[in-house]
Amino acid sequence: AQSVTQLGSHVSVSEGALVLLRCNYSSSVPPYLFWYVQYPNQGLQLLLKYTSAATLVKGINGFEAEFKKSETSFHLTKPSAHMSDAAEYFCAVSPGNTGFQKLVFGTGTRLLVSP
Amino acid sequence: NAGVTQTPKFQVLKTGQSMTLQCAQDMNHNSMYWYRQDPGMGLRLIYYSASEGTTDKGEVPNGYNVSRLNKREFSLRLESAAPSQTSVYFCASSPGLAPDTQYFGPGTRLTVL
Repeated sequence: AQSVTQLGSHVSVSEGALVLLRCNYSSSVPPYLFWYVQYPNQGLQLLLKYTSAATLVKGINGFEAEFKKSETSFHLTKPSAHMSDAAEYFCAVSPGNTGFQKLVFGTGTRLLVSP
Repeated sequence: NAGVTQTPKFQVLKTGQSMTLQCAQDMNHNSMYWYRQDPGMGLRLIYYSASEGTTDKGEVPNGYNVSRLNKREFSLRLESAAPSQTSVYFCASSPGLAPDTQYFGPGTRLTVL
């Protein structure tokens, strides 16, 4: 079985500051890991995904995440926050094998960016 | 590109009324999903269809039914709405092969009075 824990339901940063959103996973098999972003009143869209090809994954809008097996973590970072990054971010996990898979989502972290 | 479309965008029901949420995708995806999103609970899977002709229960299926009408369309029905079903409902689709990226619709905001 898979599960995801996102630490912090809200994270506040100043514009230009480092963004760090935390995600820890639990999986009985090697996982695939995803970060999705949800802007206000919209559906979710994929930011990036880890599929075992490389532990450091780069996504859209300057975000990246590093898979650390020893820490069972997949934290999302961005060196310099922009006002447009204000949104809710969801970490998700699926089993890293072939065939049909379901995603298990975390409870989300709302990123607030102040001027 | 339309992607995943959902209708309606908003709906208000009275307790006991029924309604169907419609979802369609134009990406030739095999798999489709219905989620509900509630504050502090993330997204929870209601039902999914791994491929045309199949449907299965997700994490929170009680009070809902689904129909995979064809490869493009996947509807969610509330037979007798309850206030606990007040939520935002998202439909998603994916190719159905690992590692699978899901593509989401804009959502339906449902209020049950």
